[in-house]
Amino acid sequence: DTAVSQTPKYLVTQMGNDKSIKCEQNLGHDTMYWYKQDSKKFLKIMFSYNNKELIINETVPNRFSPKSPDKAHLNLHINSLELGDSAVYFCASSQVGGGRVEQFFGPGTRLTVL
Amino acid sequence: GQNIDQPTEMTATEGAIVQINCTYQTSGFNGLFWYQQHAGEAPTFLSYNVLDGLEEKGRFSSFLSRSKGYSYLLLKELQMKDSASYLCAVRDRYSSASKIIFGSGTRLSIRP
Repeated sequence: DTAVSQTPKYLVTQMGNDKSIKCEQNLGHDTMYWYKQDSKKFLKIMFSYNNKELIINETVPNRFSPKSPDKAHLNLHINSLELGDSAVYFCASSQVGGGRVEQFFGPGTRLTVL
Repeated sequence: GQNIDQPTEMTATEGAIVQINCTYQTSGFNGLFWYQQHAGEAPTFLSYNVLDGLEEKGRFSSFLSRSKGYSYLLLKELQMKDSASYLCAVRDRYSSASKIIFGSGTRLSIRP
């Protein structure tokens, strides 16, 4: 009955590799997000999709590419991983304009780049 | 631009009351959130204020003054499980309705 799920929970990889993180929500929400939380615990939005359309694209290196195959899924692919990409990545979802405004977060993916 | 300020750390005693302040500057304003985040876990929603005043929800209350760009989260009858980071976040009027900007969080430690 998990609302927002992400896989994997932990990801350890070498610099230069390409990796993907998957996110799924079963709340019926129309909007999904990717956030990055660095070592200082600062939570920063990266991307947002509304009904499979990209609506927020913050200043993020183009090595990061989100993909939304349907409104229940939002995946994040990262090319040529760098040391600075090490962080916790959170997926979230919400129903924009639906009365309830809060975002529901997944458990996070802790990415470590060696 | 947007700027959100909150204290980095606070300490309080079990059973007491603590107030966590948040000030913000945004080009427009369309709501303020408080989230709780335990270490190693995801943020969870606590409250949302869009109009001035106090919203009470059990032991937690959130206050907003739009004219002052100020909010606080009030936690009563503190319990050890309240030890967590508390994130203030603002939605501005001119960005996408889905975009919220988070402050850096206040780490609250509860001592017995």
